[in-house]
Amino acid sequence: SQTIHQWPATLVQPVGSPLSLECTVEGTSNPNLYWYRQAAGRGLQLLFYSVGIGQISSEVPQNLSASRPQDRQFILSSKKLLLSDSGFYLCAWSRGVNGYTFGSGTRLTVV
Amino acid sequence: KQEVTQIPAALSVPEGENLVLNCSFTDSAIYNLQWFRQDPGKGLTSLLLIQSSQREQTSGRLNASLDKSSGRSTLYIAASQPGDSATYLCAVSDGGTSYGKLTFGQGTILTVHP
Repeated sequence: SQTIHQWPATLVQPVGSPLSLECTVEGTSNPNLYWYRQAAGRGLQLLFYSVGIGQISSEVPQNLSASRPQDRQFILSSKKLLLSDSGFYLCAWSRGVNGYTFGSGTRLTVV
Repeated sequence: KQEVTQIPAALSVPEGENLVLNCSFTDSAIYNLQWFRQDPGKGLTSLLLIQSSQREQTSGRLNASLDKSSGRSTLYIAASQPGDSATYLCAVSDGGTSYGKLTFGQGTILTVHP
C-alpha cells in the first residue's frame, strides 16, 4: 500500500533562518507531488507541484522554493524565513484517477 | 477561476442526528471531487472520491453525491457520533490539467456533542 511521510511534525525557526521540509512517498512510482500551505483563516493554498524528477512549478510567488531530487522525494526550502511563512505545510501525492493523499503536515512557526 | 464554497461554516448537533454538509463550485469542468476530514493540528484524511462521471459514493455512514451540471455536492453523515467532530473539506480537481490542481472550500467545522 502507498504511504506518505512528512517531517518534522513541528518546527520553530527564527526570522532569517533557512528551512528544509521533506516529504517521501512509498508504494507508488512517478506520482504527482504537491506542497500546500494552510494559514489560519485562509484555507489551503497550493504552493508547488511536480509531475516528475526535477520538474517544479510554482503557483504563487513567494519566499519558498521546492525541489524533487528523486521520484518519490519532494523538498520545500527557504534561504531566509519571514514571519509570514508561518503556517501548516502539507505534502500530498496523486496518480491517475485515485485522488489525493496527504501527509500529516508540519506546523511551522517563525519567531 | 474555480471557487469552492461550503455551507454551513460550522455545525453543532447532538449525537445520533443525520446531517448534510454542502459544497458548491463555480466551474463544472471538474475531473473529480474529494471530501476530506481534518482533525485539529492534523493532516487531511480522504473520505470519499467522486469521479466526474459518477453521481455518488458511499463509505459506511458517509454518502457523497455529485451534481456536476449544477456545481453541487453534498456529504451526508448518518447517525452522527462525537468521533465525527472535525473539519470537513470539499475539494475539486480541475479537468484538463496534467497535475490535477485541487481547489478547496473553507470547510465546515462539525461538532457532535453527546
